[in-house]
Amino acid sequence: KQEVTQIPAALSVPEGENLVLNCSFTDSAIYNLQWFRQDPGKGLTSLLLIQSSQREQTSGRLNASLDKSSGRSTLYIAASQPGDSATYLCAVNLNYQLIWGAGTKLIIKP
Amino acid sequence: EAGVAQSPRYKIIEKRQSVAFWCNPISGHATLYWYQQILGQGPKLLIQFQNNGVVDDSQLPKDRFSAERLKGVDSTLKIQPAKLEDSAVYLCASSLNQLDQYFGPGTRLLVL
Repeated sequence: KQEVTQIPAALSVPEGENLVLNCSFTDSAIYNLQWFRQDPGKGLTSLLLIQSSQREQTSGRLNASLDKSSGRSTLYIAASQPGDSATYLCAVNLNYQLIWGAGTKLIIKP
Repeated sequence: EAGVAQSPRYKIIEKRQSVAFWCNPISGHATLYWYQQILGQGPKLLIQFQNNGVVDDSQLPKDRFSAERLKGVDSTLKIQPAKLEDSAVYLCASSLNQLDQYFGPGTRLLVL
């Protein structure tokens, strides 16, 4: 059974720092992996999607990497801003269904 | 391109009452998903439709939850009767190819 784990569950850093969020999964037979952002009480915004054949994807200050063999993905956020404060969730697509982590709650302190 | 629409955005009801949520997917997306997200957890898939047929409803509590997608477009999710533990955000998503999903803003339900 596929399990997705995100560590840490919460993270608080000063504004301007670079940071890394981690996601691990147990079954490497995935189609893709997505990182989402969720603001309190709101829906999900897709940030980056990495296909199983890819190693990384970049969008602005965000960079996501994927290592299928070790079952790991990281989301790197450069030069963090208070507006980056949110919960970040990763999800793997296994057999056309998304399996989710519980998320990392990120707080960027001004 | 319009995104996934959901209504209502918020709903407060008392336990044992009924409630219904509505979702309008992105035009042309054959696959529609309903998720339940309890505070502090990742979303849990309740039901997946392909056009108007059910693909997976293994985690839908069928004694109280029902969902339909009669014409293969809009969908409704109903809870009857509601329990306190149903308090959550209900998310609708749609997909063209089942490889990436687009999410609506969600409906936040509070059961008192």
